[in-house]
Amino acid sequence: GAVVSQHPSWVICKSGTSVKIECRSLDFQATTMFWYRQFPKQSLMLMATSNEGSKATYEQGVEKDKFLINHASLTLSTLTVTSAHPEDSSFYICSARGPGSGNTIYFGEGSWLTVV
Amino acid sequence: GENVEQHPSTLSVQEGDSAVIKCTYSDSASNYFPWYKQELGKRPQLIIDIRSNVGEKKDQRIAVTLNKTAKHFSLHITETQPEDSAVYFCASAGSGNTGKLIFGQGTTLQVKP
Repeated sequence: GAVVSQHPSWVICKSGTSVKIECRSLDFQATTMFWYRQFPKQSLMLMATSNEGSKATYEQGVEKDKFLINHASLTLSTLTVTSAHPEDSSFYICSARGPGSGNTIYFGEGSWLTVV
Repeated sequence: GENVEQHPSTLSVQEGDSAVIKCTYSDSASNYFPWYKQELGKRPQLIIDIRSNVGEKKDQRIAVTLNKTAKHFSLHITETQPEDSAVYFCASAGSGNTGKLIFGQGTTLQVKP
């Protein structure tokens, strides 16, 4: 199947700083990428839909100025958590789809963010 | 908004028994229903999926059934094994082929040897 890679796998940052997470589709062009957040023992909550070359569509309740999403190319989307706080600590997972993936949705490995 | 309800939240079965997890969805336009298995700290793994033009699909020990009228779909695992222990999520995708998935709350399955 297609491969979606996320980086970093885990990151620790200080409160008030920003951190960037990358999501790459390695062997297909991802016209759409999705960003999810998952708190421990909870489900995956969709944060936003990222379409290449256009602004992301955020789900209700997700602050677009805090969670900046950029999808500048067909193989890369980034999520930047700005002014991070301890409550932003979570598992962030991206998924991607595109014509080259058969429109099947593939998930990245996920990124653990801990804000101290 | 779109919503997916999943039950039960936890399920414990004896090895060799069957396990059934049920989901209901709210958006009648939903047309794609995948099931994912997630182990702690790892990405969700697609284990089976079904589209709205099919009522049932089976892959070895795993099967999924869909009742569009009632907006229900279920995961059936037969002859469970300890390695089936994990968290399982159902999801639904709405019409328009956007790929946007709405997940259920998850079911923690424990298979006792």
